[in-house]
Amino acid sequence: SYVLTQPPSVSVAPGKTARITCGGNNIGSKSVHWYQQKPGQAPVLVIYYDSDRPSGIPERFSGSNSGNTATLTISRVEAGDEADYYCQVWDSSSDHRGVFGTGTKVTVL
Amino acid sequence: EVQLVESGGVVVQPGGSLRLSCAASGFTFDDYTMHWVRQAPGKGLEWVSLISWDGGSTYYADSVKGRFTISRDNSKNSLYLQMNSLRTEDTALYYCAKDIQQLVPYDAFDIWGQGTMVTVSS
Repeated sequence: SYVLTQPPSVSVAPGKTARITCGGNNIGSKSVHWYQQKPGQAPVLVIYYDSDRPSGIPERFSGSNSGNTATLTISRVEAGDEADYYCQVWDSSSDHRGVFGTGTKVTVL
Repeated sequence: EVQLVESGGVVVQPGGSLRLSCAASGFTFDDYTMHWVRQAPGKGLEWVSLISWDGGSTYYADSVKGRFTISRDNSKNSLYLQMNSLRTEDTALYYCAKDIQQLVPYDAFDIWGQGTMVTVSS
């Protein structure tokens, strides 16, 4: 089965840039989606199709995807960005299954 | 307002059965693939199942295949998950979610419900 690997945690000072990676075999050939989840809340889609932002998501959130790594970048980090972030793809190699990454806790210092 | 509201979560004994429901509103329900995603306490997200807009295609995670059945009633704007042979490892918050685009499968999940808690315990 397809595996997505994320760093367990990322720490960043306010106003700086946070980069969250999502590693998977040839992930550059897939569309990657990113979700933000704050404690006690449902996940929120922040990036889809590698780099598109849903309406209402700040431009500070951006994404890229190439080779074996996809990256979610949060520029000018704010205290409100502190949350868990998950990447997600579809694995259609043998059947159609959704796959989530292991999740990354972003801490704003 | 686009909204998904789950219900049906309870405490159930191992080996028991349960049916979850998800009521949709604010969008054309029968144009969208729908999903169930779960999250065990303190753990990450796990995709469980999907059903196409017309109910013609369904897929399951290996962990639930053969035990869970996803279905929908487009006349009632409702999604369901029938859960049989429940195990302690099925304990989780169960979310329903919709695809971001109409009539496109295997997409991003743009709207999520608040979830319903299923606890499997003796």
